[in-house]
Amino acid sequence: AQSVAQPEDQVNVAEGNPLTVKCTYSVSGNPYLFWYVQYPNRGLQFLLKYITGDNLVKGSYGFEAEFNKSQTSFHLKKPSALVSDSALYFCAVRGNDYKLSFGAGTTVTVRA
Amino acid sequence: ETGVTQTPRHLVMGMTNKKSLKCEQHLGHNAMYWYKQSAKKPLELMFVYSLEERVENNSVPSRFSPECPNSSHLFLHLHTLQPEDSALYLCASSQENRLLEQFFGPGTRLTVL
Repeated sequence: AQSVAQPEDQVNVAEGNPLTVKCTYSVSGNPYLFWYVQYPNRGLQFLLKYITGDNLVKGSYGFEAEFNKSQTSFHLKKPSALVSDSALYFCAVRGNDYKLSFGAGTTVTVRA
Repeated sequence: ETGVTQTPRHLVMGMTNKKSLKCEQHLGHNAMYWYKQSAKKPLELMFVYSLEERVENNSVPSRFSPECPNSSHLFLHLHTLQPEDSALYLCASSQENRLLEQFFGPGTRLTVL
């Protein structure tokens, strides 16, 4: 069975500081990894994905994520956070089938 | 976000009512999904349709009944729900064997009284 762990329920940072949201995964075979963001009263929006290739993946809104196979991690990062980045972030993994397994989510609060 | 639409956005129903949730995708995708999102819990995959055939039924109670009449439309029929079924129901679509990522609709906030 595949699974995702997001160890932090909440992350609080000041605007302009680096933002990191942690994710570790477990899956059989090659992992396909995703990050989504959810704003209040909205659906999930796709941010970025890792399928193969370069371990550093760049996505929307200045976010990037680093795939680390030995640590089975896929942490989301942003060099300089904005107040508008405050939202709920989900990490997800899929193996060789169609099923996406999501983490419980991390609430990010960026204070001005 | 307009690629996948869901109606209604909010629904309040009694335990004896019958209602339906509708999802429509305008992306030309060939797979559609229903998820349940409850507070402080991971998203729960309920049903998957690939090429209009149901390929996943994740031990969902029979009071939830999906229908996929074509590749663009997905319904979730609700009957005799329980208060614990109150949640945000999200629809998603994807193009299998190509993009892999799923695109989500805005969800239907369901409250069962």
